[in-house]
Amino acid sequence: GAVVSQHPSRVICKSGTSVKIECRSLDFQATTMFWYRQFPKQSLMLMATSNEGSKATYEQGVEKDKFLINHASLTLSTLTVTSAHPEDSSFYICSARATGVDSPLHFGNGTRLTVT
Amino acid sequence: KQEVTQIPAALSVPEGENLVLNCSFTDSAIYNLQWFRQDPGKGLTSLLLIQSSQREQTSGRLNASLDKSSGRSTLYIAASQPGDSATYLCAPYFNSGNTPLVFGKGTRLSVIA
Repeated sequence: GAVVSQHPSRVICKSGTSVKIECRSLDFQATTMFWYRQFPKQSLMLMATSNEGSKATYEQGVEKDKFLINHASLTLSTLTVTSAHPEDSSFYICSARATGVDSPLHFGNGTRLTVT
Repeated sequence: KQEVTQIPAALSVPEGENLVLNCSFTDSAIYNLQWFRQDPGKGLTSLLLIQSSQREQTSGRLNASLDKSSGRSTLYIAASQPGDSATYLCAPYFNSGNTPLVFGKGTRLSVIA
């Protein structure tokens, strides 16, 4: 079945540095991928919609200059957290869907980011 | 605003019990609805996708129903096992096409051996 791979699964970085998270669709092409963020015991909150070959669409309150999204191919989207701060520590999850309105949405295993 | 509510927020049951998780959503004009499972510190695993023309879907011990007119979906788990312990999330597709899902806070299930 369709699989979404996310890397790394866990990262610890120092405040002020940047971290890149990759999201790959392994056996299908995804013109659109979605990036979510989840705080402990909270639900998933949509951060942005990543569009292949064009600019990402960010949700209200999400800083586009801080969370850089690049969707350079039909199977890869990256999220870069720039100048990370401790409050950026969270669980980031990407998702993608194969073509077809009735295709289910598949999620990666998430990336636990800890900023010290 | 499109909102999803899941009741109960947490549930603890002994092994072997049948149980029902409830999901309600504000906009009944949904297309599909998907149920997920999330283990602690992990991503989401898709359990069932109920398409707009269907009223229910079954997979093994899981059965999900959808009543669009009342804005409700239920996930029935038969003969629960400790391995079923996880957070269960429902997510309606409020739009057709390649759009993101809106999530509720989920139901945190603990099945005690």
